[in-house]
Amino acid sequence: RKEVEQDPGPFNVPEGATVAFNCTYSNSASQSFFWYRQDCRKEPKLLMSVYSSGNEDGRFTAQLNRASQYISLLIRDSKLSDSATYLCVVNMWGRGSTLGRLYFGRGTQLTVWP
Amino acid sequence: NAGVTQTPKFQVLKTGQSMTLQCAQDMNHEYMSWYRQDPGMGLRLIHYSVGAGITDQGEVPNGYNVSRSTTEDFPLRLLSAAPSQTSVYFCASSLDSPTSTNEKLFFGSGTQLSVL
Repeated sequence: RKEVEQDPGPFNVPEGATVAFNCTYSNSASQSFFWYRQDCRKEPKLLMSVYSSGNEDGRFTAQLNRASQYISLLIRDSKLSDSATYLCVVNMWGRGSTLGRLYFGRGTQLTVWP
Repeated sequence: NAGVTQTPKFQVLKTGQSMTLQCAQDMNHEYMSWYRQDPGMGLRLIHYSVGAGITDQGEVPNGYNVSRSTTEDFPLRLLSAAPSQTSVYFCASSLDSPTSTNEKLFFGSGTQLSVL
């Protein structure tokens, strides 16, 4: 099982739609969770961190479910500019390592059409 | 601030050649890392550094070397290029360990490497 699993999509939605992505992770001891956004042929950029209580940033809402080991990203009122690949990122501790590492999911591709 | 600067943007190598991908940041970040991104795969950590003189292996270190002689620079060396190393490479840095909840990774713009 991969450390971080995401539905690759693609998700094709009209402007104004609400879309949700899920991501599951394998290590129950993981402590930090993030969503990054990557535009085509560009570098990833942090979209938001995910907190235990859930958090919201404008149209974006992130949730964490530790019991089921998944995180989610909800995008409301989708814009054309939201078209991108969304990467789920989780920290895990490697064997013998005192420094956690970030593991990236394969990404979920979103296309918002007019 | 230029942020994270990676060079070159594109490179074509023949099997067996060696080369160095350059990465520099001007944000005084302690943590620097190299990832590779392949189609259908997530970014995979190659090597990372938590400060000058300190490096460690990531998930896929074979065939790559790194060193960190200064805080600003973290070059990635391909010792003997192989077709399996064809990929997009990203350098990234953060002020502290990126596993902290509030720590943001800053990425360079990437290097598209093809090994023939």
